[in-house]
Amino acid sequence: GDSVTQMEGPVTLSEEAFLTINCTYTATGYPSLFWYVQYPGEGLQLLLKATKADDKGSNKGFEATYRKETTSFHLEKGSVQVSDSAVYFCALSVTGGGADGLTFGKGTHLIIQP
Amino acid sequence: EAGVAQSPRYKIIEKRQSVAFWCNPISGHATLYWYQQILGQGPKLLIQFQNNGVVDDSQLPKDRFSAERLKGVDSTLKIQPAKLEDSAVYLCASSFGVGYGYTFGSGTRLTVV
Repeated sequence: GDSVTQMEGPVTLSEEAFLTINCTYTATGYPSLFWYVQYPGEGLQLLLKATKADDKGSNKGFEATYRKETTSFHLEKGSVQVSDSAVYFCALSVTGGGADGLTFGKGTHLIIQP
Repeated sequence: EAGVAQSPRYKIIEKRQSVAFWCNPISGHATLYWYQQILGQGPKLLIQFQNNGVVDDSQLPKDRFSAERLKGVDSTLKIQPAKLEDSAVYLCASSFGVGYGYTFGSGTRLTVV
């Protein structure tokens, strides 16, 4: 079946540090890839997505590139802020027979210290 | 536009009791999903509806969980009887259709004691 593996947390960084959160996937078909973010006390929000190989999704300074050859979708940000502290989920969706539900990784808790 | 509405926000029940959660999707969204998020894990898809029909319920524990989407709008997820391991946040999401993206509600936090 489909699965997503992302790096274990918590990840603790200082403000303005460079961020990478690794994500790799296994899919039975051709997936779309997503990063979702969950801020403390809030619901899941879409951060960025990519729907085909070599696409780059970007939002709020975050980027991720769909790498089909390495089945990866690593999240990066050049300079993190305290407000980026949250739980980040990598996810995929494979459309087939009308079904397109998301398969999520376990999440990575990011803590940014001032 | 209004978001995905869920109620209640919190629920505490004893094991073997029954519980129901309600979801109202964004107006016009034909597709509705229920996810279970256990503490420390990512959400797991339980069921997907397209209008009032079930598209995918392969991960729904059908011996105790049931869901319906009357008239293709609101949806109810029920657990009967509840077990301790059902303690989780139950998330509802909706989508206009394939490829249009998903909007999540704030969830219902269930605690089974």
